[in-house]
Amino acid sequence: QKEVEQDPGPLSVPEGAIVSLNCTYSNSAFQYFMWYRQYSRKGPELLMYTYSSGNKEDGRFTAQVDKSSKYISLFIRDSQPSDSATYLCAMSSYNFNKFYFGSGTKLNVKP
Amino acid sequence: SQTIHQWPATLVQPVGSPLSLECTVEGTSNPNLYWYRQAAGRGLQLLFYSVGIGQISSEVPQNLSASRPQDRQFILSSKKLLLSDSGFYLCAWSSGRTEAFFGQGTRLTVV
Repeated sequence: QKEVEQDPGPLSVPEGAIVSLNCTYSNSAFQYFMWYRQYSRKGPELLMYTYSSGNKEDGRFTAQVDKSSKYISLFIRDSQPSDSATYLCAMSSYNFNKFYFGSGTKLNVKP
Repeated sequence: SQTIHQWPATLVQPVGSPLSLECTVEGTSNPNLYWYRQAAGRGLQLLFYSVGIGQISSEVPQNLSASRPQDRQFILSSKKLLLSDSGFYLCAWSSGRTEAFFGQGTRLTVV
């Protein structure tokens, strides 16, 4: 079983839609949760970073962590064509020595 | 502010040739450093990580090696490249207390 599972998609939505991206994990030691956006042929860029359970909002993006279910989500409101990219979830335990990544979900927002 | 530099951006090398990819970080000291490989359409595979000068942890047995000759310099090497070494190589850094930040990647094609 992989440490982190993520649906690879692709996910295609119309402009303006609400997008929900999800990951599940198996290691209860994970405390820190991250979402990265990766455009084609570029390095991943950090979108959101959360600690433990709860919600965090930044503009059109909301990250949710449910540690009891070992489930994290990223919501994108009012999606734009510029949001078309691959979204990677990542997580780490308290020591931050290693980061465990999902395989990424490819999102396409159609104008 | 901190920045990470990775070069070259693209590289085409013949089978059996050596490899050296370099990554440097500016604006921080004693970072954790990471080398990842990303196969087409797939997630990030951790290859090596380092928590200090001369300290290298290898995650996957393979044809590659890593070195950290200076605090903010991380080098990925191979003595003889294989076709299977082709991929997108990403360097990343972390303070050891927060999330990871990535370079722009090197696309390596072994021919």
